[in-house]
Amino acid sequence: DQQVKQNSPSLSVQEGRISILNCDYTNSMFDYFLWYKKYPAEGPTFLISISSIKDKNEDGRFTVFLNKSAKHLSLHIVPSQPGDSAVYFCAANLGGGGTSYGKLTFGQGTILTVHP
Amino acid sequence: DVKVTQSSRYLVKRTGEKVFLECVQDMDHENMFWYRQDPGLGLRLIYFSYDVKMKEKGDIPEGYSVSREKKERFSLILESASTNQTSMYLCASSLLVDRWVLVGTDTQYFGPGTRLTVL
Repeated sequence: DQQVKQNSPSLSVQEGRISILNCDYTNSMFDYFLWYKKYPAEGPTFLISISSIKDKNEDGRFTVFLNKSAKHLSLHIVPSQPGDSAVYFCAANLGGGGTSYGKLTFGQGTILTVHP
Repeated sequence: DVKVTQSSRYLVKRTGEKVFLECVQDMDHENMFWYRQDPGLGLRLIYFSYDVKMKEKGDIPEGYSVSREKKERFSLILESASTNQTSMYLCASSLLVDRWVLVGTDTQYFGPGTRLTVL
């Protein structure tokens, strides 16, 4: 059962335009969400995160939006640059009190290609 | 900067061989994780550990075991490699989060990956 889904395997965008990557989840207990970026032959690198108490978090060209009622989050990249071409993974962590071991559930990934 | 290193970038083994993948982190993180990445399937958790000698099964532990004898080192073992274990293997680490006092985050830091091919 895929609890975190990225339904678009790929996205192609022109340089300078907005890239919007989407992610849906089914478990309402998830309370912390992250986006990772991965280049070929490298490990994923952390990009941006959002807690469930917020609906938006911004960091430079990257903004993550969270819609809890729809169980949907999105990553906006404005403006898109060719160097943004990579695989993007969304991930989620379960809430609850106490100690968190940081176990994340990842989506399948979306390949973003930004054309010059 | 957090540094997570993996012992090999590329590895080729034969069916039935015992394979060891090593991971070392230098940031004193309590949690360590092993994933495999396959096209269309994303990152799937094999095993994780939240303390020395402690281990927990992830979503796909079959055919794998792990060892954590020291805090900074987490090893993945393929007891008898099979062709369906050909994959990219990624190690990650993170801080233990105390949610009551909101110390730490769930951000995981990844190594560069090991591309394992089993012939």
